[in-house]
Amino acid sequence: EAQVTQNPRYLITVTGKKLTVTCSQNMNHEYMSWYRQDPGLGLRQIYYSMNVEVTDKGDVPEGYKVSRKEKRNFPLILESPSPNQTSLYFCASSPQAFPGQGYNEQFFGPGTRLTVL
Amino acid sequence: QQQVKQSPQSLIVQKGGISIINCAYENTAFDYFPWYQQFPGKGPALLIAIRPDVSEKKEGRFTISFNKSAKQFSLHIMDSQPGDSATYFCAASRRAGSYQLTFGKGTKLSVIP
Repeated sequence: EAQVTQNPRYLITVTGKKLTVTCSQNMNHEYMSWYRQDPGLGLRQIYYSMNVEVTDKGDVPEGYKVSRKEKRNFPLILESPSPNQTSLYFCASSPQAFPGQGYNEQFFGPGTRLTVL
Repeated sequence: QQQVKQSPQSLIVQKGGISIINCAYENTAFDYFPWYQQFPGKGPALLIAIRPDVSEKKEGRFTISFNKSAKQFSLHIMDSQPGDSATYFCAASRRAGSYQLTFGKGTKLSVIP
């Protein structure tokens, strides 16, 4: 089944304890992205990746890191989580990353609900 | 700067009625306007999308109306059903860019029997 998977689905942690949220897609997509969803603020992009070893900041990158060593995986790293990073996080992927190749549907994972105490 | 403004924030519609959600954008370089539907506990999923070379696109009970001069687009759900209860996000992106989607803040739709 074609899908985007995220782990863990739920995580409660404490301030300053490093954590990683994994994201994996089995559709051979080039483009991957991380969003956070907060009430009243909608979906805001954290980081995105156009392909392996190519990443760039989205709208709210502060406090986050990403890496793209393999095409299928795009982990989100919080080196020193803070309570304002409590949120619902979504990973998404799209088939193509470059202009002129049509419009891309983004496929979203099921989400990771993170609570930082 | 919010590039895509969505309204209303929440909407309650009777079963069988028409649900209308509106969005306005600022960046004239946007040329792809999708709507995503999100059910509780799930990730958003593409519902319907439109390009600015057409003024309307219909898929079943869902219709996007697009007004390029006003920089506005809207989602109409005809014969709304309780199963349509979800959060709806409009979005916009540029074909010439990196396929980044700029989302509206979302509308929580509740269809009551």
